[in-house]
Amino acid sequence: GAGVSQSPRYKVTKRGQDVALRCDPISGHVSLYWYRQALGQGPEFLTYFNYEAQQDKSGLPNDRFSAERPEGSISTLTIQRTEQRDSAMYRCASSVAEGLAGASYFGPGTRLTVL
Amino acid sequence: RKEVEQDPGPFNVPEGATVAFNCTYSNSASQSFFWYRQDCRKEPKLLMSVYSSGNEDGRFTAQLNRASQYISLLIRDSKLSDSATYLCVVNAGGSYIPTFGRGTSLIVHP
Repeated sequence: GAGVSQSPRYKVTKRGQDVALRCDPISGHVSLYWYRQALGQGPEFLTYFNYEAQQDKSGLPNDRFSAERPEGSISTLTIQRTEQRDSAMYRCASSVAEGLAGASYFGPGTRLTVL
Repeated sequence: RKEVEQDPGPFNVPEGATVAFNCTYSNSASQSFFWYRQDCRKEPKLLMSVYSSGNEDGRFTAQLNRASQYISLLIRDSKLSDSATYLCVVNAGGSYIPTFGRGTSLIVHP
């Protein structure tokens, strides 16, 4: 596709359920980043990959959060046993190279609501 | 002190005005800098990179002041369509993790 895509765009789930958020980066982009953005704030780093390797996961809030990018393209962010405080916009971004992480293309995001 | 700080605004300016935003950063080892634009309910989009020598793209000028550790964005001849939130992004040297500011809201009115 022409840009970064994310699915689903909206996800409503009940507390305690697991959710999987998908990101399809721009074809050929090496780096893929996951962020969480609260209203009125900038994106907050969660984790990133170069190809299939997870380079840094220091931003993941706790061990209920995990991410993978098994074939170096599509990535999945999984949140287990969701809690209301997990409600947020989750954004994915890709960049052509690791050194150009600040110049990324963002997807439209997944709005997660935990009831 | 936060790593990257921005005045959230909003900055309310009339069409045709010149407006400038600053963004301060705390890590003196920061190496690369960017400005993004984010429209309401949309994803952030890269506006421009900020080079040491400063750079200009049409009505937009970005500058870096390493001594005082801030970057700036100047918008000349503001248009209604410039209304958005402007996010600054800083990458510390040796880090590939971009740090975003909270954004500055700009409202351009007729």
